[in-house]
Amino acid sequence: DSGVTQTPKHLITATGQRVTLRCSPRSGDLSVYWYQQSLDQGLQFLIQYYNGEERAKGNILERFSAQQFPDLHSELNLSSLELGDSALYFCASSATGTGNPRVAQETQYFGPGTRLLVL
Amino acid sequence: SQQGEEDPQALSIQEGENATMNCSYKTSINNLQWYRQNSGRGLVHLILIRSNEREKHSGRLRVTLDTSKKSSSLLITASRAADTASYFCATAPGGSARQLTFGSGTQLTVLP
Repeated sequence: DSGVTQTPKHLITATGQRVTLRCSPRSGDLSVYWYQQSLDQGLQFLIQYYNGEERAKGNILERFSAQQFPDLHSELNLSSLELGDSALYFCASSATGTGNPRVAQETQYFGPGTRLLVL
Repeated sequence: SQQGEEDPQALSIQEGENATMNCSYKTSINNLQWYRQNSGRGLVHLILIRSNEREKHSGRLRVTLDTSKKSSSLLITASRAADTASYFCATAPGGSARQLTFGSGTQLTVLP
């Protein structure tokens, strides 16, 4: 058990709908990362938050958005869903993310994922 | 896009044998991490090696890193059926960025 929790575990919805995925990081971790895993694209970084602020963006579609709340949990919102959005969505957390040069290593701990199926 | 390429894509061995997986990447890195994923489940962190390290051990795992060749290898010794999983390398870029870029993974099957 990594200490990172994600809900729900499974989500089935229809095209055009909107869903929200939730992530609670490990206790004390300030950084939250979202990744998408699909058969054709593999594991791809979507977005990172650090202590409530967006820190880095990857291959995240405009239809997707995220936020990190004061209690450090994060939500990933997916809207106008398409069939191709069906994937496993992972959240990960790490202790830092500031780019502090004194912190040379950054282990990310992954949650169990949310499996999204868009019909 | 995928930063790394794992080699081989699939590997099948007998229990007790050693398994070696390789990973190549394209850009400079701060560190490289290996993860294991059992079918359709979450990723489990195995080991992290910094860019200034050449080799690291953890239990039955041995990781090497050659930054001049932009490559890493993961060796699992005395494999067990429970080691059956997909193994991914992931790189954290240099500078202040910390997001991971994953390779395509090696599917390891350990036969009892």
